[in-house]
Formats: sequence, structure tokens, C-alpha cells
Amino acid sequence: DADVTQTPRNRITKTGKRIMLECSQTKGHDRMYWYRQDPGLGLRLIYYSFDVKDINKGEISDGYSVSRQAQAKFSLSLESAIPNQTALYFCATSDSLAGGSTYEQYFGPGTRLTVT
Amino acid sequence: GDSVTQMEGPVTLSEEAFLTINCTYTATGYPSLFWYVQYPGEGLQLLLKATKADDKGSNKGFEATYRKETTSFHLEKGSVQVSDSAVYFCALSDRGGTSYGKLTFGQGTILTVHP
Repeated sequence: DADVTQTPRNRITKTGKRIMLECSQTKGHDRMYWYRQDPGLGLRLIYYSFDVKDINKGEISDGYSVSRQAQAKFSLSLESAIPNQTALYFCATSDSLAGGSTYEQYFGPGTRLTVT
Repeated sequence: GDSVTQMEGPVTLSEEAFLTINCTYTATGYPSLFWYVQYPGEGLQLLLKATKADDKGSNKGFEATYRKETTSFHLEKGSVQVSDSAVYFCALSDRGGTSYGKLTFGQGTILTVHP
């Protein structure tokens, strides 16, 4: 089984709808991240969480919100989807410094979101 | 702030050709450096890493050396295969200040290898 899973894998939604993307991990990592991938722009950080009580905005957080329900679960919500949020979304995890991390992150398979 | 710049793509090579993908970075602290690979339809996988100057990361025939003096981490492979066709991302994680543990990515380089 995959260490980092994302649901759904594909989603088409309409402008103005609320949508939630979910991420679960079995790696036991404290840190979780949400990224957005657009062609030619690499990955950009939306939100990150260093533990259940610590959530921080990334470089492109406007229009998004997150919830860290447990160490293993980190959800991304689009409160009112718009077409320019059409992208590939990735969840990632990493170990904490105390856990011996060398800072690499482990990625889920991605969710392809289309907003029409 | 931190940034990563990769060579412009896409890159198209014949099988068994030599590959270089350039990567340079700017960082306020002392970063760890990574190459990630994304195969079609998949998420990113860590390809190799280096955590200090002059370290060489290697995996699956790929290599990259952490060059602090030139702030570079170029990816090389001596003989590419069709199965190496993918998107390659250079990334850094700055170990200083409030940004430690977060990854900053380059824009990605698409590699296509023809038989």
C-alpha cells in the first residue's frame, strides 16, 4: 500500500462549488504539505503543517483552507472554486528534525482538479 | 528569499546519450539539495540528495554534486534510457530560520528519450 494517499484522484467541479481534497499518510511523519503544480511553474506551496496544532500559509494560500484532523490526515478545501484553480494538487510529508530528517519530502500520487 | 533555477527545457535525447540538467540556487541559509523525478501520471519521487558542500548524491545511474562555490547542483547521467523520460525537479530545503523543512522547487525540466 502507498505511504501517502490522496482522494479523489480526479475531480471535475463547477465554479463556485466547495470541494475538499484529502490526504492520508502511514509514514508516521509529523509534517504535511499541500502543493499545486501548474505547467512550467514547478510546484508551489499552498499550506503546511509541522504538527496537528501548527498550520501555516505557503506562498499561494489565497482561496484555500486546510484542516489537520490528525497526525495522519491533512485536508485541503477550496471554499468557492474558480477556473484558475484548475491544477494538479500534491500532498507531501516529511519527518521532523527530531526524527532524524534530512528534509526530503514524500509525495502522494496527486489529484487532478478541473474547475469549469 | 530562496529560489531554484533549472535549465530551460524540454530536453530531447537519443538513447545512450549523456544527460546534463543544470540547476542553480540562492538560499539565505545552508540548504539541503534534492532532485525529484515525476514519471507520467505519477507523483514526485526523490531521485537523489546532498546535504553538505562537495557531497555527491547518486541513484539509478544519476549523479549530482553539491557545489557551494558555484551554488549549483547539476544532474548528470552517462547513458540515458527511454525509461528515464520524465520531468525532473531540482529543489532545496533551507535549514536556517523559519523556513527550514520547506522545499523550494525549480520549474521542472521535461526529458524525452527516443530509442
